[in-house]
Amino acid sequence: DTGVSQDPRHKITKRGQNVTFRCDPISEHNRLYWYRQTLGQGPEFLTYFQNEAQLEKSRLLSDRFSAERPKGSFSTLEIQRTEQGDSAMYLCASSTGTAPYEQYFGPGTRLTVT
Amino acid sequence: QKEVEQNSGPLSVPEGAIASLNCTYSDRGSQSFFWYRQYSGKSPELIMFIYSNGDKEDGRFTAQLNKASQYVSLLIRDSQPSDSATYLCAAGSRGSNYKLTFGKGTLLTVNP
Repeated sequence: DTGVSQDPRHKITKRGQNVTFRCDPISEHNRLYWYRQTLGQGPEFLTYFQNEAQLEKSRLLSDRFSAERPKGSFSTLEIQRTEQGDSAMYLCASSTGTAPYEQYFGPGTRLTVT
Repeated sequence: QKEVEQNSGPLSVPEGAIASLNCTYSDRGSQSFFWYRQYSGKSPELIMFIYSNGDKEDGRFTAQLNKASQYVSLLIRDSQPSDSATYLCAAGSRGSNYKLTFGKGTLLTVNP
């Protein structure tokens, strides 16, 4: 059973550019979460999908951020007009639909905005 | 504001000792609790979860939950240098789609 994968692992971009990250969850997991983690902090929730439906978005997810999960499989997170404050580790996690809904994280995408 | 609080540490223990990591949470609706280990520059790795009051043991790890006190702990027995990492406590609830609220983590250092 392969784990959660994310691509790319690292991304360096200039302020104002758009970036897109991809997450492939564990195959039988119908729940997918995106988190953001900055240095010295725990991960912070961004958004949640159950199958292809985006059911919750954090207030942290400004209108520059958009996420999709077409066909309920992989997910993408796009950041438009990146800002230096967007620099962080973007983590994807997936879980099954049964309690206790434990989440397994991918390796993350480290974004640096210069 | 739902919060999970952890001592940031660093917590330093000698090899072979018991490391005790603590966590409190503010949301009484939290139902499931998770401990993740995170090595520097890596993503969180799930090591244990607990959702019933009491103790849960898995190898060298024991998680403890006291819902009345809103307190979760993780004990690591026979600590090894490879256990040196940041330990993240997280809480989830059905009412919030089981999204996780994390503490800031406790940095554990096991000295050989």
